[in-house]
Amino acid sequence: GAGVSQSPSNKVTEKGKDVELRCDPISGHTALYWYRQRLGQGLEFLIYFQGNSAPDKSGLPSDRFSAERTGESVSTLTIQRTQQEDSAVYLCASSPTSSGNTIYFGEGSWLTVV
Amino acid sequence: AQSVTQLGSHVSVSEGALVLLRCNYSSSVPPYLFWYVQYPNQGLQLLLKYTTGATLVKGINGFEAEFKKSETSFHLTKPSAHMSDAAEYFCAVRVNYGGSQGNLIFGKGTKLSVKP
Repeated sequence: GAGVSQSPSNKVTEKGKDVELRCDPISGHTALYWYRQRLGQGLEFLIYFQGNSAPDKSGLPSDRFSAERTGESVSTLTIQRTQQEDSAVYLCASSPTSSGNTIYFGEGSWLTVV
Repeated sequence: AQSVTQLGSHVSVSEGALVLLRCNYSSSVPPYLFWYVQYPNQGLQLLLKYTTGATLVKGINGFEAEFKKSETSFHLTKPSAHMSDAAEYFCAVRVNYGGSQGNLIFGKGTKLSVKP
């Protein structure tokens, strides 16, 4: 597609349920990133993929959070046993290989845990 | 380690006035610097970036930023604010893994309000 695509755009889930958030990067982009943005706050880095390996997953807040990527394509962020503090916008981004290149963001998945 | 500090969580200007949003960075290697804008309920859109070369960088919507190594700054400016500029602005530095690409580290953001 033309841009980074994320689904669902909105998700309301009950506390304790698992959720999966999906990201389709721009075709040909080798790098993929997940960020979290809580209401009124800045962006927290979660994890970075280069291809299907994750050189940096230092931002994952707990072992309830995991992510995987298939080749240089789709990525899924999974949150197990959701808590109310997980409520946030989860932003996915992708970029080509070179470090000088722009990172392009999707519209985000708004997660509300009730 | 690299980091970004944005001075002022809220900035308010009158329409037609100068916009100045401040960003200072910390980096032990030559930084790649970015400004993103986020309009309400939307994702992030790149305004401009500095990688190498000319230190004055022009972006979309009339914004520009100047990389000043001596001041470790990358302030964003626009000569004349427009109502449509009201948004949140994020400064970011690209993590450098010894020359390999990395993720962006963002400042906490500055919310710009434009008064008529």
